[in-house]
Amino acid sequence: GAVVSQHPSRVICKSGTSVKIECRSLDFQATTMFWYRQFPKQSLMLMATSNEGSKATYEQGVEKDKFLINHASLTLSTLTVTSAHPEDSSFYICSALWGGKETQYFGPGTRLLVL
Amino acid sequence: GQQVMQIPQYQHVQEGEDFTTYCNSSTTLSNIQWYKQRPGGHPVFLIQLVKSGEVKKQKRLTFQFGEAKKNSSLHITATQTTDVGTYFCAGGTGNQFYFGTGTSLTVIP
Repeated sequence: GAVVSQHPSRVICKSGTSVKIECRSLDFQATTMFWYRQFPKQSLMLMATSNEGSKATYEQGVEKDKFLINHASLTLSTLTVTSAHPEDSSFYICSALWGGKETQYFGPGTRLLVL
Repeated sequence: GQQVMQIPQYQHVQEGEDFTTYCNSSTTLSNIQWYKQRPGGHPVFLIQLVKSGEVKKQKRLTFQFGEAKKNSSLHITATQTTDVGTYFCAGGTGNQFYFGTGTSLTVIP
């Protein structure tokens, strides 16, 4: 159990366009999902905490209007990178919290390249 | 803000040697989790420690949580080439987790 999927796995887009990334918990319900960003050979940086049915909580320095998060159901959270620029190129990883075990399970990640 | 540091940042060992990574938090944690990330992959959950002074073992891996719940360690006995990857600790406070800086392990055959 505890499978989390992410879509797409890779995306290349032009500067100025918006990109939506989906994170799904496939076999459990997740009231809380997390979005991370990871640069090459660096640690995971928590961007925001996504709670089902309420607004996401963003970490300091993360622009909420730039990174739109929607957690519309107990199994789906989406991250939209709006008006993407080359500096937004990164590896974006979501995780879903299995509340009963306080354990987070990670999706396979999405590699975003903005040209 | 919350800071979780890990040392060393990199470690190269000969196959068969032991390896240890240390995790230190600036604040007291509710729990600590350990993850392994292979190159090009995503973090995979290894274990969670909750109790002060807790020690857990998984085959050749030994995990410890400090008495003050501010530090933790992961020890691998007799490393194998399959142990290659970056090991992250993640400190949990409430419903949030902050990842450590990671230790990249290279095992030389």
